[in-house]
Amino acid sequence: KQEVTQIPAALSVPEGENLVLNCSFTDSAIYNLQWFRQDPGKGLTSLLLIQSSQREQTSGRLNASLDKSSGRSTLYIAASQPGDSATYLCAVPDQTGANNLFFGTGTRLTVIP
Amino acid sequence: EAGVAQSPRYKIIEKRQSVAFWCNPISGHATLYWYQQILGQGPKLLIQFQNNGVVDDSQLPKDRFSAERLKGVDSTLKIQPAKLEDSAVYLCASSLEWQNGETQYFGPGTRLLVL
Repeated sequence: KQEVTQIPAALSVPEGENLVLNCSFTDSAIYNLQWFRQDPGKGLTSLLLIQSSQREQTSGRLNASLDKSSGRSTLYIAASQPGDSATYLCAVPDQTGANNLFFGTGTRLTVIP
Repeated sequence: EAGVAQSPRYKIIEKRQSVAFWCNPISGHATLYWYQQILGQGPKLLIQFQNNGVVDDSQLPKDRFSAERLKGVDSTLKIQPAKLEDSAVYLCASSLEWQNGETQYFGPGTRLLVL
């Protein structure tokens, strides 16, 4: 069964810093990997989806990388802003093909003004 | 386009009571998912529908949880009777189809507190 781990569990940085969030998964035979953002009391917002054939995806100040062979993904956030404060979750789909997602426990990010 | 709608947003009940949650997916999305997110954890799939059929309900505690999607659109998730450990956020998501790679769109969730 796929297991997804995220490190660190929580992170506080001053505004303007660049930062990296980590995600690891045990079964490298994945179709894709997705990064989500969750604000308190809200649902999940998809940030980036990386297909298994890709190594990177970029959206604005966000860059996600994928290394299937080592079972790792990173989310890089450039020039962090207080509005980036949220919990970031990574997820991979079930290998049976049913598309349900296995999630990590998330990294709670606080950007201090 | 309208997103995934869920109601109620919050619910407080006592243990052994019953509760039901409602989800309206994005129009045209054939696949609907219910996830349970316990505080401090990532979401965990409870059940997945393709139209009005069940694709995966292997992690649904069937002695107390039930779900239906009778007309292949809206869905309800019911807990009867509720236990303290059912306190969580219940997230509904939908996607166009159920094949891998299809993006899932999530609703705002229903926050349940069982006292």
